[in-house]
Amino acid sequence: QKEVEQNSGPLSVPEGAIASLNCTYSDRGSQSFFWYRQYSGKSPELIMFIYSNGDKEDGRFTAQLNKASQYVSLLIRDSQPSDSATYLCAVNRRSGYNKLIFGAGTRLAVHP
Amino acid sequence: DVKVTQSSRYLVKRTGEKVFLECVQDMDHENMFWYRQDPGLGLRLIYFSYDVKMKEKGDIPEGYSVSREKKERFSLILESASTNQTSMYLCASSAFTARDTEAFFGQGTRLTVV
Repeated sequence: QKEVEQNSGPLSVPEGAIASLNCTYSDRGSQSFFWYRQYSGKSPELIMFIYSNGDKEDGRFTAQLNKASQYVSLLIRDSQPSDSATYLCAVNRRSGYNKLIFGAGTRLAVHP
Repeated sequence: DVKVTQSSRYLVKRTGEKVFLECVQDMDHENMFWYRQDPGLGLRLIYFSYDVKMKEKGDIPEGYSVSREKKERFSLILESASTNQTSMYLCASSAFTARDTEAFFGQGTRLTVV
């Protein structure tokens, strides 16, 4: 079992719709959870992080964390073509020193 | 503006060569990471370092070693390059904080081993 799992996609949504990206993790000791966005040919950049159960909102983005189910998700409201990218879920394993582990990423395509 | 700089954007090496990939950060971060990224596999952690001269293996350390002699510099070494090490290599750094350890990435080095 992979430590961080994501559906590879592609996830295709129409412009203006809500995109829902999901991630599960296996280590119950994980402390912090991150969503990175990576455009083709570019390096990943942080969108947001979450470490408490529940929802965290930042503009059009909402991260949701459920530690009991070992599940974290990212919702993108009013999706735009510029949101088309690969979204990487990352987990801070915290087994001593901030070891950041990534999932394989979900490719999102927002079509006009 | 935060910056993580990798020494090369593209690199072509021959099988069996010793290869050095260099990474420098200017943010005084404690943690530094080396990942490789392959299609469908995401970012896989090779090694990370939490302090000068300190290192820990990641998930795929075989065939690689690292060096961190100064806080700002983290080098990845391919002892004897092989074709299955052809990949995109990404360096990252982060501060040693409790929870919100955002990692900042370099521009990546695309290594081709022929």
